Amino acid sequence: DARVTQTPRDKVTEMGQEVTMRCQPILGHNTVFWYRQTMMQGLELLAYFRNRAPLDDSGMPKDRFSAEMPDATLATLKIQPSEPRDSAVYFCASGLVGSPFYGYTFGSGTRLTVV
Amino acid sequence: TQLLEQSPQFLSIQEGENLTVYCNSSSVFSSLQWYRQEPGEGPVLLVTVVTGGEVKKLKRLTFQFGDARKDSSLHITAAQPGDTGLYLCADMEYGNKLVFGAGTILRVKS
Repeated sequence: DARVTQTPRDKVTEMGQEVTMRCQPILGHNTVFWYRQTMMQGLELLAYFRNRAPLDDSGMPKDRFSAEMPDATLATLKIQPSEPRDSAVYFCASGLVGSPFYGYTFGSGTRLTVV
Repeated sequence: TQLLEQSPQFLSIQEGENLTVYCNSSSVFSSLQWYRQEPGEGPVLLVTVVTGGEVKKLKRLTFQFGDARKDSSLHITAAQPGDTGLYLCADMEYGNKLVFGAGTILRVKS
């Protein structure tokens, strides 16, 4: 089965450090999402791309978060500087938007802990 | 902004029991999806419903979409421990972005 691959699986970092999370979407998918999941807020959409172009990043704190797709096989989410409130599980998802539509596939997530 | 409300928040039942969880929207759904998420993993798509009144079955899971397309339910027959997880409903908003409800945590005890 095709999979969305996220690295690293777990990351512990100190406050103020830069964090980079990576995602390899499924080959051929044209839409990539970044979500953050916490107990309090649930799944929040941070940013998403269509054909590598950013469509919406209104869910991201702009001063510290950035999301890019340098090529079709890689999406990155950076936090600089990181803060304890950024501790969460970050998910990447990809899908092929069109007709018919088969839904989105999520990766296993990156669990980020900022101490 | 669309709000998706899921109920109950938490459900703990014995193996073999039946259960229903609900998803309600403040506005008409564009395209409703149900996902299941197991601990340590990402959500996995169970079903997509689009047409009001639609009913879909996936083995012991039955999904119903309200006629007015503002509510949906997921019914599980004879629940098993493997059904344990977080059940999420989501709507595809304009631009094909997914907005999620807070989810229902289901625990099935053997």
